[in-house]
Amino acid sequence: NAGVMQNPRHLVRRRGQEARLRCSPMKGHSHVYWYRQLPEEGLKFMVYLQKENIIDESGMPKERFSAEFPKEGPSILRIQQVVRGDSAAYFCASSPPSNEQFFGPGTRLTVL
Amino acid sequence: AQSVTQPDIHITVSEGASLELRCNYSYGATPYLFWYVQSPGQGLQLLLKYFSGDTLVQGIKGFEAEFKRSQSSFNLRKPSVHWSDAAEYFCAVAPGNTPLVFGKGTRLSVIA
Repeated sequence: NAGVMQNPRHLVRRRGQEARLRCSPMKGHSHVYWYRQLPEEGLKFMVYLQKENIIDESGMPKERFSAEFPKEGPSILRIQQVVRGDSAAYFCASSPPSNEQFFGPGTRLTVL
Repeated sequence: AQSVTQPDIHITVSEGASLELRCNYSYGATPYLFWYVQSPGQGLQLLLKYFSGDTLVQGIKGFEAEFKRSQSSFNLRKPSVHWSDAAEYFCAVAPGNTPLVFGKGTRLSVIA
């Protein structure tokens, strides 16, 4: 059983471009969480999704950020018009209905 | 709102010495409690978790943690540290089946 997969592992964008981060949950997991880790900080929750539904987006910035988890395919975290402050590591976690979350290796976004 | 405090930003221990990493949480009831480890440039690996029952929980890699309700603490311990234990350690809480709230982490350095 493969673990949580994220791609790309590293992403470089110039200011104003779009960033798309992908997360494939573990087989059988229907819950996906996105977290952001800024340098020297812990992880901060962004959004919680189940298939085709956003359950909790209280940690998501109101503008430029969106997330989806379609019926088929990976979950996508999309950042439009990136700014330097978006540079961070973005982690996805998946879980079954219990609360043990399994984390992917992360995508490290650098905005030039 | 839930919060997690890891009072020690950085700890250095000698190889073979014992280790205790502190974690205090703020929540009205007993949440689910977790310790994760993160090696540089990597994702998070679950060391152990507490949901209910025995307050002393055993995890992987020889780690254990003790839940103390009266102190709202969930400290991580290891009797003898190995050089490979050098990493960042994160305590996290979740009040049920909800997104995790993380502490800021404690960086562990191990010296010979």
